Amino acid sequence: KNEVEQSPQNLTAQEGEFITINCSYSVGISALHWLQQHPGGGIVSLFMLSSGKKKHGRLIATINIQEKHSSLHITASHPRDSAVYICAVMDSNYQLIWGAGTKLIIKP
Amino acid sequence: NAGVTQTPKFQVLKTGQSMTLQCAQDMNHEYMSWYRQDPGMGLRLIHYSVGAGITDQGEVPNGYNVSRSTTEDFPLRLLSAAPSQTSVYFCASRRDLGVYEQYFGPGTRLTVT
Repeated sequence: KNEVEQSPQNLTAQEGEFITINCSYSVGISALHWLQQHPGGGIVSLFMLSSGKKKHGRLIATINIQEKHSSLHITASHPRDSAVYICAVMDSNYQLIWGAGTKLIIKP
Repeated sequence: NAGVTQTPKFQVLKTGQSMTLQCAQDMNHEYMSWYRQDPGMGLRLIHYSVGAGITDQGEVPNGYNVSRSTTEDFPLRLLSAAPSQTSVYFCASRRDLGVYEQYFGPGTRLTVT
C-alpha cells in the first residue's frame, strides 16, 4: 500500500464546478505539500501546510492531522486549471513522499 | 533570479552511453535533489544533498552518481544508460532540509534506446 494515496486519479468537470481532490497518508508528517504540474511539465508549489487551512485565490487547501487527510479545493473552476495536482508529505526526516497525482480536466 | 535551471531539456541516448544532466540554482539553497517521474507513479528520489560536499542516496540511486562541489550546482551522472532509465528527470531545491517550499527545474526528458 502506498504511503500517500490521492483520489480520484482522474477528474473531468465542466467550467465553473467546485473541485475537490483528496490526499490520505499513513505516516507521521512534518508538513504536507500540494503542487501543480501543467501539461508542459513544470512543477509549481501551491501550498505547504501542517495544520488548518490555507487559501490562495480560488484554491483552498485543508488538512486534518488526526485523520491523516488533506483536500485541495478549486472554486469556480476554469479550463486553465487543467493540470496534474500532486500531494506530497514531508516525513519526520524531512524527506518528501509523493502521491501519484490527480489529472484534472476542466471543459469549457 | 533564474530559480532552478536544468539542461538539456531533451536527450536521446543509446544503451551504454553516459551523460550528465546539469542542475543549478541561484537562491543559495542548501538542499538539492534529483527525482525521476514515470507514468502512473509519484516522483521518486534518486539522490539528494544537504550542502556542498554532502550527498546521499534516495529511493532509486542505482545507475546514477551525483556530486556537490558548490552550493549552486548539483549534476546527475548516468554511468551506463539503460532503457529502464527512460524517464523525465527533475532537479529541485529548497532552503535546507527543514519545512520549506520546494522549487523545481523545468525537467529533462530522457529516452534511452
